[in-house]
Amino acid sequence: NAGVMQNPRHLVRRRGQEARLRCSPMKGHSHVYWYRQLPEEGLKFMVYLQKENIIDESGMPKERFSAEFPKEGPSILRIQQVVRGDSAAYFCASSPRGQGGGAAFFGQGTRLTVV
Amino acid sequence: EDQVTQSPEALRLQEGESSSLNCSYTVSGLRGLFWYRQDPGKGPEFLFTLYSAGEEKEKERLKATLTKKESFLHITAPKPEDSATYLCAVQAPRGGGADGLTFGKGTHLIIQP
Repeated sequence: NAGVMQNPRHLVRRRGQEARLRCSPMKGHSHVYWYRQLPEEGLKFMVYLQKENIIDESGMPKERFSAEFPKEGPSILRIQQVVRGDSAAYFCASSPRGQGGGAAFFGQGTRLTVV
Repeated sequence: EDQVTQSPEALRLQEGESSSLNCSYTVSGLRGLFWYRQDPGKGPEFLFTLYSAGEEKEKERLKATLTKKESFLHITAPKPEDSATYLCAVQAPRGGGADGLTFGKGTHLIIQP
């Protein structure tokens, strides 16, 4: 049973470009969470999605960031017009039901570098 | 606003030297407290969930405990492979009843042979 798969593992973008981060949850999991980890900072909740629904996006910046979890395919975190401050590790986690994200299983992360 | 403070920020122990990591939290209506382990360049690995004061969970050399204001992660006779960053997180109701975790900054634990 494969774990949470994130790709790419590393992503380099120039300022102003778009970044797309993908997350395939564990088999049987329909709840996905995205977190951001800045250098020397803790993990920060961004968004919680179920299939075709955004449940909580209270941690998402109001502009340039969006997330989706379509009926088919991986969850996508999209960052438009990236800036240097977006450089961070982005982690996806999944859980099998609405446990509240607690016993959630994390992927290895995508490390975004904006140059 | 929910807050989680972990101490110490870093801890260096000799192999076999037992110690405890602290996680203090301020939250309205705790739904759960979670411990994760994170190795460099990897995602957090789930360790424990605690739901109510007085609860304890154990796994190998680790034991997590919970009070109304803090949690401890006790490590007994640690080995070098226990070296990692240990993260504490809390879950509390948000607007709309959502479920994201609030994490502390972690304790970086080094076990020297």
